[in-house]
Amino acid sequence: DAKTTQPPSMDCAEGRAANLPCNHSTISGNEYVYWYRQIHSQGPQYIIHGLKNNETNEMASLIITEDRKSSTLILPHATLRDTAVYYCIVRVGLAGGTSYGKLTFGQGTILTVHP
Amino acid sequence: GAVVSQHPSWVICKSGTSVKIECRSLDFQATTMFWYRQFPKQSLMLMATSNEGSKATYEQGVEKDKFLINHASLTLSTLTVTSAHPEDSSFYICSAARVNSPLHFGNGTRLTVT
Repeated sequence: DAKTTQPPSMDCAEGRAANLPCNHSTISGNEYVYWYRQIHSQGPQYIIHGLKNNETNEMASLIITEDRKSSTLILPHATLRDTAVYYCIVRVGLAGGTSYGKLTFGQGTILTVHP
Repeated sequence: GAVVSQHPSWVICKSGTSVKIECRSLDFQATTMFWYRQFPKQSLMLMATSNEGSKATYEQGVEKDKFLINHASLTLSTLTVTSAHPEDSSFYICSAARVNSPLHFGNGTRLTVT
């Protein structure tokens, strides 16, 4: 699986958009970008994933550059409850994004949302 | 709601005893489950891949005789930490693969060995 690089920490004001970057310059054509987050003392929570098109769901938006070497997770209106470690993971997915295989976690980005 | 249930959420045991952690997929069958371990202020580290009806595949450096994995049914995988020692104290997290869905994780088990 391709390696990802994320900033170790970021701050965001409550109510503002949080933009979390991820570099994955060695991504292969069949690799998806997945985002998970982990709130303290809980298991990781799936946020969103994408292959090459931008994606949006009720939690966030995922913007993938045209060359697919980087992406940005956007939380449009961050709340205090969004404070967590955010992981960007790249791995091969099946059609539809099914992920049967293991996920390898990096160090992630600690996002702190402050009042 | 939660699609992967993990039990117990926390456990304290004495050194030398064994502890069993259960991971259940709720309302779906999971032929593959994964077990992770997380030490404080560190990321998740994959321990093993659990396949229903067959032996688990362990990552390098993980002792298979110490961390026994049983995936006896399509909805249940168990991790038994045998002869636990204080250095086994950690946060153990399972995940399950579901058709046409990203990997879902349980809420973890905090193990403290005294």
